[in-house]
Amino acid sequence: DAGVTQSPTHLIKTRGQQVTLRCSPISGHKSVSWYQQVLGQGPQFIFQYYEKEERGRGNFPDRFSARQFPNYSSELNVNALLLGDSALYLCASSLSGGSNYGYTFGSGTRLTVV
Amino acid sequence: GESVGLHLPTLSVQEGDNSIINCAYSNSASDYFIWYKQESGKGPQFIIDIRSNMDKRQGQRVTVLLNKTVKHLSLQIAATQPGDSAVYFCAEDPNNNDMRFGAGTRLTVKP
Repeated sequence: DAGVTQSPTHLIKTRGQQVTLRCSPISGHKSVSWYQQVLGQGPQFIFQYYEKEERGRGNFPDRFSARQFPNYSSELNVNALLLGDSALYLCASSLSGGSNYGYTFGSGTRLTVV
Repeated sequence: GESVGLHLPTLSVQEGDNSIINCAYSNSASDYFIWYKQESGKGPQFIIDIRSNMDKRQGQRVTVLLNKTVKHLSLQIAATQPGDSAVYFCAEDPNNNDMRFGAGTRLTVKP
């Protein structure tokens, strides 16, 4: 069975540009969460989506947005990139949201902003 | 503000020894805690979890202890192996939708 897949695995962007990261959850999982992990720190919660609706939002600026599609895959968009947005972006899927049901993380997308 | 944090950033143990990784939390309302392992180039991997109505929970070679009085969580790894080398995070999920991670402890196992 395929796990959580994220694409691309790495990318480099210039300050001010926009980026879209993609996530495909485990088959049957209806919830997707996004996390930002800066080097040397723990992951920080950005968004959670369930059944295409936003269920939670972390303390991130409006430059960050996301959506979930009918097939439960998800995209994370970041506009007007800053150097500080350089991080590993992790996607986690679960059956119906909430750690009670267990989260499975993908390997992440490493974003470098120059 | 309330947060999840770790006591030590690094831990080095001899292969075969037991490892103990500690975590302090400050949100007394937290009732669910999870330990994750993250290897280089990979996402966090679930190890074990515990609810606040329990003091101890055991898995395969791992034990999590919860002390609600002092708001302290620990992960014990028995007979530590080289494959256990990784960064370990504790996390809480107070709202059941937004896990909050600590900064992590890097465990190094010496042969």
